[in-house]
Amino acid sequence: GAGVSQSPRYKVAKRGQDVALRCDPISGHVSLFWYQQALGQGPEFLTYFQNEAQLDKSGLPSDRFFAERPEGSVSTLKIQRTQQEDSAVYLCASSHAGVGTGELFFGEGSRLTVL
Amino acid sequence: KNQVEQSPQSLIILEGKNCTLQCNYTVSPFSNLRWYKQDTGRGPVSLTIMTFSENTKSNGRYTATLDADTKQSSLHITASQLSDSASYICVVSAHNNNDMRFGAGTRLTVKP
Repeated sequence: GAGVSQSPRYKVAKRGQDVALRCDPISGHVSLFWYQQALGQGPEFLTYFQNEAQLDKSGLPSDRFFAERPEGSVSTLKIQRTQQEDSAVYLCASSHAGVGTGELFFGEGSRLTVL
Repeated sequence: KNQVEQSPQSLIILEGKNCTLQCNYTVSPFSNLRWYKQDTGRGPVSLTIMTFSENTKSNGRYTATLDADTKQSSLHITASQLSDSASYICVVSAHNNNDMRFGAGTRLTVKP
């Protein structure tokens, strides 16, 4: 596609459920980032992939959060046993270049609401 | 403590007026600074990216400035339009670091 695509756009989960959020980056983009954005705040870094390698996962808030990018393209962010504090918009971004230098393109985000 | 602080938190201006948004950072060693525009319910869209050696960069009615000595940046919007209503986010990257630090953003509302 022309841009970064995320699905679902909206997800409502009951507390304790597992959720999976998908990101389709721009074709050929090496770098892929996941961010968490609370209401009225700027995005907070979660994790970074270079191709299929997860080079940095220091931002993942707990071991309930897991991300993968097995073939270096599509990525999935999984949240197990969701809690209310997980409610946020989860943004995915990709870049053709290495970290910190290239233009960063964001998806529209997946808004997660945990009841 | 967030390493990128933006001000004001929110701003309301009339259509056609100019405004300036501020970004102060403590991220070090500095690599680059970006300004993004984020419409409500959308992902951020890049406006400018500035490296250490750049003092000013324009993108249409948007002009960003950078003072790497004082670690300050500003985004000036000229002749504002209703479509400029959005959050403007400052993002600072450090060298050899995957972690781009995002400010909380300035929420701009342009009224007719």
